Amino acid sequence: DTEVTQTPKHLVMGMTNKKSLKCEQHMGHRAMYWYKQKAKKPPELMFVYSYEKLSINESVPSRFSPECPNSSLLNLHLHALQPEDSALYLCASSQGRRGDTEAFFGQGTRLTVV
Amino acid sequence: GEDVEQSLFLSVREGDSSVINCTYTDSSSTYLYWYKQEPGAGLQLLTYIFSNMDMKQDQRLTVLLNKKDKHLSLRIADTQTGDSAIYFCAEEGASKIIFGSGTRLSIRP
Repeated sequence: DTEVTQTPKHLVMGMTNKKSLKCEQHMGHRAMYWYKQKAKKPPELMFVYSYEKLSINESVPSRFSPECPNSSLLNLHLHALQPEDSALYLCASSQGRRGDTEAFFGQGTRLTVV
Repeated sequence: GEDVEQSLFLSVREGDSSVINCTYTDSSSTYLYWYKQEPGAGLQLLTYIFSNMDMKQDQRLTVLLNKKDKHLSLRIADTQTGDSAIYFCAEEGASKIIFGSGTRLSIRP
């Protein structure tokens, strides 16, 4: 199983809503990532979890709150988002050791904030 | 610093070969990747090359790595309409993957 599964595939939420994005992998990878991708742009890193601990936060606003409940799951909790947060949110995983293996990406959650 | 550059567009005739080029800056990158992204979809890992290799071939795909010039290329032989997509070059930075801007490949009949 070399899949990273993200749910939901599409999400429309209002600016006062609270929602969560979910990501799951069963490859035994110990590093998991959230990327944000705006239209026609490359993905931008938001967070990295390594061995279930947050290791990188790329100055992401607090309305995005990551959580890693266990080594297979990664969540991104969303609250009080702005329309400019509309984007494709991509989850990825890798072994977590530099040079060890490639990173696998999920299909993404397309988020629209209205 | 870490930076990856690609040209934004490439147009080729169906059946011809496509060559997408990329330059990177981090000479300590161990892995270099090519990802494909179709409209509205996530990133699909096409292929990758380990930094001690010069070339890797996988069916219609050939990756060439010139480590001295920090230049990476992806050749797609016999390009088909299904190859239309954005192709991202990426290098393995410190604890993260650094992406180029992506090259939009379009296929002419």
